[in-house]
Amino acid sequence: QSALTQPPSASGSPGQSVTISCTGTSSDVGGYNYVSWYQQYPGKAPKLMIYEVSKRPSGVPDRFSGSKSGNTASLTVSGLQAEDEANYYCSSYAGSNTGVFGGGTKLTVL
Amino acid sequence: QLQLQESGPGLVKPWETLSLTCTVSGGSIATSYYWGWIRQPPGKGLEWIGSIHYSGSTYHSPTLKSRVTISVDTSKNQFSLKLNSVTAADTAVYYCGRDILVFDALDIWGQGTMVTVSP
Repeated sequence: QSALTQPPSASGSPGQSVTISCTGTSSDVGGYNYVSWYQQYPGKAPKLMIYEVSKRPSGVPDRFSGSKSGNTASLTVSGLQAEDEANYYCSSYAGSNTGVFGGGTKLTVL
Repeated sequence: QLQLQESGPGLVKPWETLSLTCTVSGGSIATSYYWGWIRQPPGKGLEWIGSIHYSGSTYHSPTLKSRVTISVDTSKNQFSLKLNSVTAADTAVYYCGRDILVFDALDIWGQGTMVTVSP
């Protein structure tokens, strides 16, 4: 099992939109609709932002959205706010009751 | 609301066994959810260790499977992790979490506990 591939960094100005990609294979991202995204501030536990590709847990702003095409999933943050500056991790079910995380993307709000 | 809290030694010697417990409060562990362990080495990304259902069904990361034991104690509303033969590479913040399924969505996390492997 290899980690999912995320860009190390992404950035955008307040009010803009930014998209973070998460690339896997047909054995994980491409094979199942169990992709999740987590937001993590330094020194804090991760927080679930998106699950099952595009579902938002209660309390997560609708500025956060998820999608998937083939073996690549994406997290889009619209109307960037300073508080969105954090690390973001994707994860995917990988079959046989296992899963894998991405390497993480540091989102900077300029 | 449901809360998870990790507990255990913060320092473990090389080649010994790391033991952590996650206590679930504000709700029962005996539900349809799965309960997982995830770790994060300093400055690095997240790594799934394994998950358990209150019925006792367990699932492990293939890379750690040979060293990992996950168990559940429904009477104490706790689940536990044992990782044997630890090395410095096992130094990390260890989190417990609640999952809808195995690797579906970890929607509630503990605050995490730092475990250092050092003589």
